[in-house]
Amino acid sequence: SQTIHQWPATLVQPVGSPLSLECTVEGTSNPNLYWYRQAAGRGLQLLFYSVGIGQISSEVPQNLSASRPQDRQFILSSKKLLLSDSGFYLCAWDGRINSPLHFGNGTRLTVT
Amino acid sequence: AQTVTQSQPEMSVQEAETVTLSCTYDTSESDYYLFWYKQPPSRQMILVIRQEAYKQQNATENRFSVNFQKAAKSFSLKISDSQLGDAAMYFCAYRRSLNYGGATNKLIFGTGTLLAVQP
Repeated sequence: SQTIHQWPATLVQPVGSPLSLECTVEGTSNPNLYWYRQAAGRGLQLLFYSVGIGQISSEVPQNLSASRPQDRQFILSSKKLLLSDSGFYLCAWDGRINSPLHFGNGTRLTVT
Repeated sequence: AQTVTQSQPEMSVQEAETVTLSCTYDTSESDYYLFWYKQPPSRQMILVIRQEAYKQQNATENRFSVNFQKAAKSFSLKISDSQLGDAAMYFCAYRRSLNYGGATNKLIFGTGTLLAVQP
């Protein structure tokens, strides 16, 4: 069966520090991969998605970037964190057409 | 652009009772998918139910069912025989049909309804 791993679960970082959140999927090949952010009291907002290695699409302008160095690995990064980057970040995957979206357990990021 | 609105920030229900969560959406497309996701305190996002717009029959999954009113652009979730484990944040989400192009699950979420279940 397919599983998605996301780490770390929680992270506290000072303003201006770098960020790297990692997500991996097991049990499937060539998935679509997604990064969503959930701000306090708000719904989820799609940040990036990827349909293949090295293929990244950004949905909103921001301080973050994403990369997909391997088929089942998706990384969310920042060179210098802002206070506004605080939130709950969720990685997700799907197995192509008409399959549902499966989420990881999320990372709670606090920028101080 | 498509939007999803959940007008009930919080709801409460007694254990074993029935509760309905509201969701409305705005779209100019005729073919799309609607979802309800549950987010318990663990923050894991769990798919509760899915509705395809071209299907007139309302989706059901055990104690969970939807009332899909396409003309009114309404998609409410009914939870029957509420259990303590149903306490969570519930999100309504929209996804355009892949017939419009693209191959990705770009969901548009509402702001959520926090459901409390009273024993």
